Amino acid sequence: EAGVAQSPRYKIIEKRQSVAFWCNPISGHATLYWYQQILGQGPKLLIQFQNNGVVDDSQLPKDRFSAERLKGVDSTLKIQPAKLEDSAVYLCASSSFRAGIGVEAFFGQGTRLTVV
Amino acid sequence: SQQGEEDPQALSIQEGENATMNCSYKTSINNLQWYRQNSGRGLVHLILIRSNEREKHSGRLRVTLDTSKKSSSLLITASRAADTASYFCATDATAGGTSYGKLTFGQGTILTVHP
Repeated sequence: EAGVAQSPRYKIIEKRQSVAFWCNPISGHATLYWYQQILGQGPKLLIQFQNNGVVDDSQLPKDRFSAERLKGVDSTLKIQPAKLEDSAVYLCASSSFRAGIGVEAFFGQGTRLTVV
Repeated sequence: SQQGEEDPQALSIQEGENATMNCSYKTSINNLQWYRQNSGRGLVHLILIRSNEREKHSGRLRVTLDTSKKSSSLLITASRAADTASYFCATDATAGGTSYGKLTFGQGTILTVHP
């Protein structure tokens, strides 16, 4: 079974530039997550999709971050414009979660973003 | 906001010793999960314990859950140098008795196992 694929693995941009990350979840997984992990901290949930609908985006800085999941499969996360404090690893994860039945999440390798 | 808080923040032991990490959380949960993260890599799921379970085993891992105290512990027995990693607890909270699969992670425990 193929895992969660993310690209790119690394990205360096200047502040105020824009950047986009791509995620392809495990086939058949309806739930997709984007997390931001700042060095030395735990992952922070940015947005959770169930198929192509948003379940939770309460911690997504909507003035600069946007995410979409077209057709309920692949997803992109965009930052525009980037700030220095956006330097972090962006993790995508997916799961086969169904209502009331908790299951594990599978994570991609992440995209390490450096904003200079 | 971080739901789970791990303790200790860092743990250093010798190979063969046991390692215990604790996690406290604030709200009602559907389940609690533990993940491992090696340096520079994604997270790997270790074990899931449901809210109606008190203890669970998987190989050298033992997890306990005390919902009355809103806490969990992860025990790694007979540790190996390869167990060196960061360990995170994640809670799948319930809202109005319903789980939406929202996983909230703590800050993690950095475990170092010396050969």
